[in-house]
Amino acid sequence: GAVVSQHPSWVICKSGTSVKIECRSLDFQATTMFWYRQFPKQSLMLMATSNEGSKATYEQGVEKDKFLINHASLTLSTLTVTSAHPEDSSFYICSARPGLAGGAGELFFGEGSRLTVL
Amino acid sequence: RKEVEQDPGPFNVPEGATVAFNCTYSNSASQSFFWYRQDCRKEPKLLMSVYSSGNEDGRFTAQLNRASQYISLLIRDSKLSDSATYLCVVQAGRRALTFGSGTRLQVQP
Repeated sequence: GAVVSQHPSWVICKSGTSVKIECRSLDFQATTMFWYRQFPKQSLMLMATSNEGSKATYEQGVEKDKFLINHASLTLSTLTVTSAHPEDSSFYICSARPGLAGGAGELFFGEGSRLTVL
Repeated sequence: RKEVEQDPGPFNVPEGATVAFNCTYSNSASQSFFWYRQDCRKEPKLLMSVYSSGNEDGRFTAQLNRASQYISLLIRDSKLSDSATYLCVVQAGRRALTFGSGTRLQVQP
């Protein structure tokens, strides 16, 4: 099946630093990728929709200047958490589905990146 | 009100038991429905899609009631390996998936 790879799988950083998370679709192209965040014992919450070659679409309440998304190619999207604070500690998961038009098929998830901000 | 509501559980059942999870959604424009499984500290994985006519995959049966905006998952003959959190997921058109907060299942020997 389709594979989405996410890196790093876990990261610990000091407050005030920036952290970049990469999401790659390994065997398919995707014009759209989705970034989710999951706090302990809570559901996955959509943060933003990453669009290849254009600006990301952010969900209400998500600061676009804090969570920078770059979708530079059809197989790579990056999420940068800028000036991270302890409240940003969470499990960040990207997802994508094969297809160049967004599509409605199965959504594949990366393995997730667990961020801990000290 | 949450878009997708689930009983958080946990459901503690013995091996071999039958267990049912329910889910309701608020967006009447939702067109696609899924159950995902998420193990602790792992990414969600698709368990099965849910179709209007109901569908079965081995020990798992999913039902959809569009009029009531209600989705269910039935697991028969529970195995220890079924222990996980089950996420009810809906999608409107080609939008991103909307997740419920999940129902935790613990199957005990």
